[in-house]
Amino acid sequence: DAMVIQNPRYQVTQFGKPVTLSCSQTLNHNVMYWYQQKSSQAPKLLFHYYDKDFNNEADTPDNFQSRRPNTSFCFLDIRSPGLGDAAMYLCATSRGVWGRDSSEQYFGPGTRLTVT
Amino acid sequence: AQTVTQSQPEMSVQEAETVTLSCTYDTSESDYYLFWYKQPPSRQMILVIRQEAYKQQNATENRFSVNFQKAAKSFSLKISDSQLGDAAMYFCAYTLRPNFGNEKLTFGTGTRLTIIP
Repeated sequence: DAMVIQNPRYQVTQFGKPVTLSCSQTLNHNVMYWYQQKSSQAPKLLFHYYDKDFNNEADTPDNFQSRRPNTSFCFLDIRSPGLGDAAMYLCATSRGVWGRDSSEQYFGPGTRLTVT
Repeated sequence: AQTVTQSQPEMSVQEAETVTLSCTYDTSESDYYLFWYKQPPSRQMILVIRQEAYKQQNATENRFSVNFQKAAKSFSLKISDSQLGDAAMYFCAYTLRPNFGNEKLTFGTGTRLTIIP
């Protein structure tokens, strides 16, 4: 089945130690998104890629970076994690072409990040 | 800026009964999409139902239906014949009509739905 895959599902890192979260998709979608979701809150968009074009949200801290080496993969890098960065990180994709179904976002299962 | 408001942080319903989750939104645009997403505990978020703003007819998907009131900017979700598997956090979300890159979702704060056996 076509899907959005996130690895690892659980990640523990130390305060200040860089960490990378991974997302891959078999849907061949043009757009990939990274969200941060804290407990019992709505997902907060960090940034998204339309193909290779990177779109950062204005309030995303510089501590968060992203890479998209090809259509299938997208990475979230947290350069110096703080305790406040502990959250669920969701990856999502959408087709990004004109049409009724292009607006639907497909979510991965998320990576739960713990910062010690 | 667009905003989405869900005024019910928690709801509960007896199994097999009907429940309605509320959502209001604010936008100056006329062409947009509205969604209800479901996020079960420890499971991934999935789309429940979608409504295009230009359509007057309310969307339905099996036991799920919406009441879309464009003038009132209201978009409620009705779940009929509630099942245990419906227990989840439900998010209302908005996006402008897709136009090569502006598919960003604005989410509400969510409603946690509990199903009582």
